[in-house]
Amino acid sequence: EAQVTQNPRYLITVTGKKLTVTCSQNMNHEYMSWYRQDPGLGLRQIYYSMNVEVTDKGDVPEGYKVSRKEKRNFPLILESPSPNQTSLYFCASSATLGLGEQYFGPGTRLTVT
Amino acid sequence: AQRVTQPEKLLSVFKGAPVELKCNYSYSGSPELFWYVQYSRQRLQLLLRHISRESIKGFTADLNKGETSFHLKKPFAQEEDSAMYYCALKHTGNQFYFGTGTSLTVIP
Repeated sequence: EAQVTQNPRYLITVTGKKLTVTCSQNMNHEYMSWYRQDPGLGLRQIYYSMNVEVTDKGDVPEGYKVSRKEKRNFPLILESPSPNQTSLYFCASSATLGLGEQYFGPGTRLTVT
Repeated sequence: AQRVTQPEKLLSVFKGAPVELKCNYSYSGSPELFWYVQYSRQRLQLLLRHISRESIKGFTADLNKGETSFHLKKPFAQEEDSAMYYCALKHTGNQFYFGTGTSLTVIP
């Protein structure tokens, strides 16, 4: 089944403890993105990648890192999480010729205390 | 800068009534616009894109460059249309801007 998977789905952590949220897609898509969803703010793009080793900042990249070493994986790294990074995170992928259609993962709910 | 505006956070209509979800954008150049929908306990998914000029589940959206709008319309709302709707603008490459979303409730 073609899909985007994220792990973990739920995570509660403490300020300053490094964490990684994984994202994987099995559709051979070139493009991948990370978003955060906050009440009243909608979805905001954190980082995106247009292919292996090609990443760029989205609207709200501060406090996040990403890497794209393989086409299928696009992990989101929070080196020193803070409470304002408590949010619902979505990974998405799309094909170069897919007319912009993004396929979203199920979301990761992160709480930083 | 706010590139996509959805002025209504909440919208309620009765079953069978017409529904219009508003979306305005600011963008220099030719915009690529989309509507995404998130049904309860489901993933966010593409509903339609302006470039395809399609009708999906009875919904249509017309790009009005003069008014910089991309409103989503359906002539007769159904209960299964209740969901969260997001308007999105694609910038260069893979950069996207989403609106804040409109929660649509169709009252039986």
